Amino acid sequence: DGGITQSPKYLFRKEGQNVTLSCEQNLNHDAMYWYRQDPGQGLRLIYYSQIVNDFQKGDIAEGYSVSREKKESFPLTVTSAQKNPTAFYLCASSLEIWAGRNTEAFFGQGTRLTVV
Amino acid sequence: AQSVTQLDSQVPVFEEAPVELRCNYSSSVSVYLFWYVQYPNQGLQLLLKYLSGSTLVKGINGFEAEFNKSQTSFHLRKPSVHISDTAEYFCAVQGAGSYQLTFGKGTKLSVIP
Repeated sequence: DGGITQSPKYLFRKEGQNVTLSCEQNLNHDAMYWYRQDPGQGLRLIYYSQIVNDFQKGDIAEGYSVSREKKESFPLTVTSAQKNPTAFYLCASSLEIWAGRNTEAFFGQGTRLTVV
Repeated sequence: AQSVTQLDSQVPVFEEAPVELRCNYSSSVSVYLFWYVQYPNQGLQLLLKYLSGSTLVKGINGFEAEFNKSQTSFHLRKPSVHISDTAEYFCAVQGAGSYQLTFGKGTKLSVIP
């Protein structure tokens, strides 16, 4: 079945540590996204990527980094510079990034990160 | 730039009653509109979308929404809710030529038996 796989589902991190969240898709989508979700805040865009080896900052990129070495993969690293990393992280993909065409975004099941 | 306002953070409703979840948006360009549903600790699933054409859009699970350009609204409706509809619902907007979805803060629908 085609879809987006995020791992792990739950992740605990000590303060000062970097952690990497995995996101893999087999939908052959060009565009991929990372969102952060906090209670009552909706979803906020962290980074997005239109094609391999290219990515752009979203609204809240500080303290995060990404890479896009393969079309299928878009890992997110939460660095120690992120002051409040505890949140639910969602990865998404779409066929193309520009509106007007097939803009439906498919989401993974999320990773819940907790700083302990 | 665009923004989305979901007017109710929580909506309780009795089973088999109708429900409307309200969404208003603002944008300086033409828009595409979406409703997503999220069950606890899960990702988002698309309920329905408006790209163009008929302003009444039907989606999955018996939901529908109506695009009202003059009132800049895209309210979600269901004539008779079920316990399984208990979830959080997000309205999202994408401006023509934009690269991202802008989400509202969500509405938690609680269906009471």
